Amino acid sequence: ETGVTQTPRHLVMGMTNKKSLKCEQHLGHNAMYWYKQSAKKPLELMFVYNFKEQTENNSVPSRFSPECPNSSHLFLHLHTLQPEDSALYLCASSLGTSGSTDTQYFGPGTRLTVL
Amino acid sequence: GENVEQHPSTLSVQEGDSAVIKCTYSDSASNYFPWYKQELGKRPQLIIDIRSNVGEKKDQRIAVTLNKTAKHFSLHITETQPEDSAVYFCAASIMEYGNKLVFGAGTILRVKS
Repeated sequence: ETGVTQTPRHLVMGMTNKKSLKCEQHLGHNAMYWYKQSAKKPLELMFVYNFKEQTENNSVPSRFSPECPNSSHLFLHLHTLQPEDSALYLCASSLGTSGSTDTQYFGPGTRLTVL
Repeated sequence: GENVEQHPSTLSVQEGDSAVIKCTYSDSASNYFPWYKQELGKRPQLIIDIRSNVGEKKDQRIAVTLNKTAKHFSLHITETQPEDSAVYFCAASIMEYGNKLVFGAGTILRVKS
């Protein structure tokens, strides 16, 4: 599947490192999302971008910094993370903006481990 | 805040039996209810969804029912097969959050052959 791609697929980083996660969608969608998936917890919405404008920040710590240069690309910049930030980070996109009920298509995720 | 409750958290069935997963939501204005399947190490994928103007929707062995009065919806899988083993997530659009999706915690379905 190539609709929504994410790199890297796996990332191990120390608490003092700076890294970035990348997401790209090839579906012509207008909205992109970052979710955090931790074991035995619901998917947590972190950020939403509509037409590359951020419309949602669900009280995410500032050590996570999103960037959306265009409607096809989404980044999540990471710095000074904590071990509890270890999780699967999923990117998703939808045709309509997040105020619609269009289907969200997920990428394969980045498995992040913070040592 | 609004949340979606999903039960059971784990479900084991014998191959060929039916499986039912239930979700409840609290926002009476919710109008979109998708179900996602996530196999081990893979991305969540939409398997079926229902909108508030419909009470039931079916796609081959999968069906979803919606009871807006009681504010719950269910996923039904008939004639289960080993490849149905996965984690299933329900979600509901929550108007309080600008019609964004709020997900349930997931159900681990194991189909024993």
